[in-house]
Amino acid sequence: DVKVTQSSRYLVKRTGEKVFLECVQDMDHENMFWYRQDPGLGLRLIYFSYDVKMKEKGDIPEGYSVSREKKERFSLILESASTNQTSMYLCASSLEAPSYNEQFFGPGTRLTVL
Amino acid sequence: GQQVMQIPQYQHVQEGEDFTTYCNSSTTLSNIQWYKQRPGGHPVFLIQLVKSGEVKKQKRLTFQFGEAKKNSSLHITATQTTDVGTYFCAARGSNYKLTFGKGTLLTVNP
Repeated sequence: DVKVTQSSRYLVKRTGEKVFLECVQDMDHENMFWYRQDPGLGLRLIYFSYDVKMKEKGDIPEGYSVSREKKERFSLILESASTNQTSMYLCASSLEAPSYNEQFFGPGTRLTVL
Repeated sequence: GQQVMQIPQYQHVQEGEDFTTYCNSSTTLSNIQWYKQRPGGHPVFLIQLVKSGEVKKQKRLTFQFGEAKKNSSLHITATQTTDVGTYFCAARGSNYKLTFGKGTLLTVNP
């Protein structure tokens, strides 16, 4: 069974802390994505990666960075957490297929920054 | 960047009533996907539409892709309480990136 896992379901951090959110997929997918989900705003893409060590900015990359050292793992980093980064963070992965790229989502991490 | 508008934002129905959510783009889409997110859950893929005018059915759910490939709809016949959740459309852009609509939250009164 296809699986995307995220390191924490809930996380509480303080303003200014460095925060790491980890995502692991076991499907040998090339593409991985980080989204944040906020009420009324839907899913917004932060960063994505289409290969190991490759990354591209999404629609809202400011305040975030990512790391992909291994194919199965994609990390989202908040260098200095701020209260406006309180959100639900969703990781997803997909195959590199030109015509079919269903995304599989992890359970999400609800991050609260105090 | 690519934008996808989805309406309505909310829809409350009585169990047994029908429900439709619409997705519109100003540009021609290569394909469109639909996802469902149950309350407290994560988005789950429902279907992908690729061809102009395509219609696909999954039990009580009917998905359509417009002739011009600029709009799509999801119609649920005779809603049930298990249909509750947020339905998202998502349009594929470059580099396998998906742009999601803001979603339609469906609530069903039993």
